[in-house]
Formats: sequence, structure tokens, C-alpha cells
Amino acid sequence: DTGVSQDPRHKITKRGQNVTFRCDPISEHNRLYWYRQTLGQGPEFLTYFQNEAQLEKSRLLSDRFSAERPKGSFSTLEIQRTEQGDSAMYLCASSRTGGTSNQPQHFGDGTRLSIL
Amino acid sequence: AQSVTQLDSQVPVFEEAPVELRCNYSSSVSVYLFWYVQYPNQGLQLLLKYLSGSTLVESINGFEAEFNKSQTSFHLRKPSVHISDTAEYFCAVSDWTSGSRLTFGEGTQLTVNP
Repeated sequence: DTGVSQDPRHKITKRGQNVTFRCDPISEHNRLYWYRQTLGQGPEFLTYFQNEAQLEKSRLLSDRFSAERPKGSFSTLEIQRTEQGDSAMYLCASSRTGGTSNQPQHFGDGTRLSIL
Repeated sequence: AQSVTQLDSQVPVFEEAPVELRCNYSSSVSVYLFWYVQYPNQGLQLLLKYLSGSTLVESINGFEAEFNKSQTSFHLRKPSVHISDTAEYFCAVSDWTSGSRLTFGEGTQLTVNP
């Protein structure tokens, strides 16, 4: 179990640029989640995948945001035309699909995005 | 819709003192409850979880939490804290309708002073 891996750890970019983050989940986990955490707040759900299917998207995920998980393994989160308000920590998590119980999510260390 | 309220944004305590971090939730269906801990510039680590069964759950490092359905609470406790317990603690809830999506509280910063 190598844990959830996120790349890059930090990203600094100018307003209006596009950015892409990558998440590699724990290998046997078929669910993958993206959350956003702003300073002093708890994480907020953005979207999640079961295998390659994107099953739910939050209203926080505007049309500038897109997430993919093309082969049901790693995932990418892209933000187009970044804005100041996009500055945050972007967290990825993965889990198994539970039976009758809810499988806990395991988080990566996040990508911190700073918009200049 | 679910919601989580962490009643204290900051809790300062002295080393070896007991601590309680409070969490209340709101949901119209049966819930699963979690406590996560976050150290600076890191992701969240699962501390403990309530899925079903015994209402008292324990972690390997001395924390425990009790699910109280009537009071809709899931408070986190530790009888004697260490300096190394200094971190941000998040309470989270999900249910069978949410596809495992977690709803988090705003966090409680626990600071343990010598």
C-alpha cells in the first residue's frame, strides 16, 4: 500500500492560465474523489469516480473545471482560465467500494494552487 | 442534505490534560461518521470511524469517539494529550445516499502546550 499520490505538490500560476493536477490512487481502490480545501476550512467535495465513470459532480465544479479518469486508474483535474478564487489545496482521496458498510477514504497530501 | 458543526474552532490544552473536540451532525438518514487529522501541509489521515455496531470507537493512539444518535453527536476525546497531538481535526459524515461523498466540518485546531 503506497498511499494516494498527488502531483505536483505546489503550483503557482498567473491568473488566466490553465493548470492540471494528477492523482494516483491506492491500486486496488476503484473509487476516486476530488475535494477542495481553502484556508481555515474543511474540505469540500468536488467530484468522484467509480472506475472510469464520473458519478457525481458538485455545484462547486464550474464549467472551467474538468476531471477525468480514463482507464479507471489515475485521475486528472484541470482548471481552465484560472481565477484568484481558485487558490486552494486540491485533495484527492480513494476508497474501495463498500458492501453494506461505507469504506473509509484515504487522502493524498494535496496540490496547493496559488494564483498570482 | 447533510451538515457537520464543529463547535470549537480552537482548543488549547496543556500536555497530559484530557481533551474533547465536539462534533454535531445533521442528516435525514442513517449516517457514517469519521474523524480525520491534518498536520501542516499534509493531507488528511483517518483517525477513527463509526459505521455500525458499538457506539464507542477507538483509535490506536488513544483517541476515542462516541456516536450518540439522540444528540446527533460524535465527540472526540483523549484522556491525556501529547505535544505531538497538535494538529487540525475534522469531523465528517456520509450516508448511503451520498455515494460515499464526505461532508466535513470546519475543523478544530488542537494546540497542546508544554
